[in-house]
Amino acid sequence: RKEVEQDPGPFNVPEGATVAFNCTYSNSASQSFFWYRQDCRKEPKLLMSVYSSGNEDGRFTAQLNRASQYISLLIRDSKLSDSATYLCVVIVYNTDKLIFGTGTRLQVFP
Amino acid sequence: DTAVSQTPKYLVTQMGNDKSIKCEQNLGHDTMYWYKQDSKKFLKIMFSYNNKELIINETVPNRFSPKSPDKAHLNLHINSLELGDSAVYFCASSQKGVGNTIYFGEGSWLTVV
Repeated sequence: RKEVEQDPGPFNVPEGATVAFNCTYSNSASQSFFWYRQDCRKEPKLLMSVYSSGNEDGRFTAQLNRASQYISLLIRDSKLSDSATYLCVVIVYNTDKLIFGTGTRLQVFP
Repeated sequence: DTAVSQTPKYLVTQMGNDKSIKCEQNLGHDTMYWYKQDSKKFLKIMFSYNNKELIINETVPNRFSPKSPDKAHLNLHINSLELGDSAVYFCASSQKGVGNTIYFGEGSWLTVV
C-alpha cells in the first residue's frame, strides 16, 4: 500500500464548478500536511498547508481528518487556470521527508 | 533570481555513460533534496542533505552519488546510466524543521537511450 494515495483522475469539470479531491495516508505518525500544485512540465509548488481545524485560502479549502487519516481539497468556482495536477504531501513526525501522493489531475474546460 | 536552479534542464545520453546534474539554492536554506519523478509522475525522494551532511538515502542504487560541497549546493552524479534512469530529477531546498515550505528547481529531464 502506498504511503499517500490519491485518485489520479482526471477530473474534467466546467468553469465555475466546485470540485473536491481526497487523499489518504497510511502512517498515523504523520504530522504535517500540504497540497502542492504541479503544472505540466513544471516543478511542484506549494498551494497551501493543511491545518487540523481546516483552512481556507480564497477559493481553496483544505480539511484534515486525523481519525480517518485523510485530507481533502475543495476548489470553488473553478477557473481554466486551475487545470493542473494536485499533489497531496505528508511529513512524518521527526523526519524532514516529504512524502508525495501520485497526484490528481484536474482539467477545467470552458 | 531563480531561488533553486539546476543544470542542465535537458540531458539525452547513452546507456553506460556517467553524467552529473548540478543544483544551487540562494535562499539560505539548510536542507537540500533530490527527488525523482518517473514516467507515471510519481515523485519520490532520493536524498536529503542538511548542512552538507547526508540525512536521507532512500535505497537508491549506489550508481547515484550526491555531493554537497557547501549548504547552497547539492550535485547528483550518476554512473553507468541505465534506461530506467530516464526521469525528471528535481532538486529542492527548505529551512530545517517540520512544516517548512520546500522549494523545487525547474527539473532536469534525463533521457537515457
